[in-house]
Amino acid sequence: GAVVSQHPSRVICKSGTSVKIECRSLDFQATTMFWYRQFPKQSLMLMATSNEGSKATYEQGVEKDKFLINHASLTLSTLTVTSAHPEDSSFYICSAVNYFGGSYNEQFFGPGTRLTVL
Amino acid sequence: GENVEQHPSTLSVQEGDSAVIKCTYSDSASNYFPWYKQELGKGPQLIIDIRSNVGEKKDQRIAVTLNKTAKHFSLHITETQPEDSAVYFCALRAGGTSYGKLTFGQGTILTVHP
Repeated sequence: GAVVSQHPSRVICKSGTSVKIECRSLDFQATTMFWYRQFPKQSLMLMATSNEGSKATYEQGVEKDKFLINHASLTLSTLTVTSAHPEDSSFYICSAVNYFGGSYNEQFFGPGTRLTVL
Repeated sequence: GENVEQHPSTLSVQEGDSAVIKCTYSDSASNYFPWYKQELGKGPQLIIDIRSNVGEKKDQRIAVTLNKTAKHFSLHITETQPEDSAVYFCALRAGGTSYGKLTFGQGTILTVHP
């Protein structure tokens, strides 16, 4: 399958700082990227949908001013957690999909980023 | 929005046995049904998928079946091995979903005992 990378894989920061997570599709052009949050032993919770060159669409209950998403190119999307607090500690995962031939193809996930806010 | 019910939440089998995980859904317009395997501390990995115009798909020890009338789809793993131990998620893409968004099941923790 296609390869999606995330960087960093793990980050520890102090409360009040901002953290940026990068998501890259390495071998295909992703028309759409998604950002998920996953708590221990739970399913994936979609935070937002990101399309190249346009504003992200956030799911209900997700603060767009806290979780800033930028999708500047067909291979890169970034998630910035602004003024992070301990309750933002979580496993953040991105995924990427491309639209081709009139339909969306398979969605591939990155390896995830473990964020710990002290 | 669309809901996906996944069962069982945990599944324990002996090496060599088969494992079956089932998901049910309500939106008859759903048209794409992938299965993901997630190992501890890693992102989900697509292991098999099926589209609504097909009833069954197989890839070596893994198979997926889809019953559109009953609105359920299942993952079948035969000859299980300890390395199959992981969390498995079903998902679906509902018809008309914006930008290919997936809805996920709650996950099944599969443990294969040697």
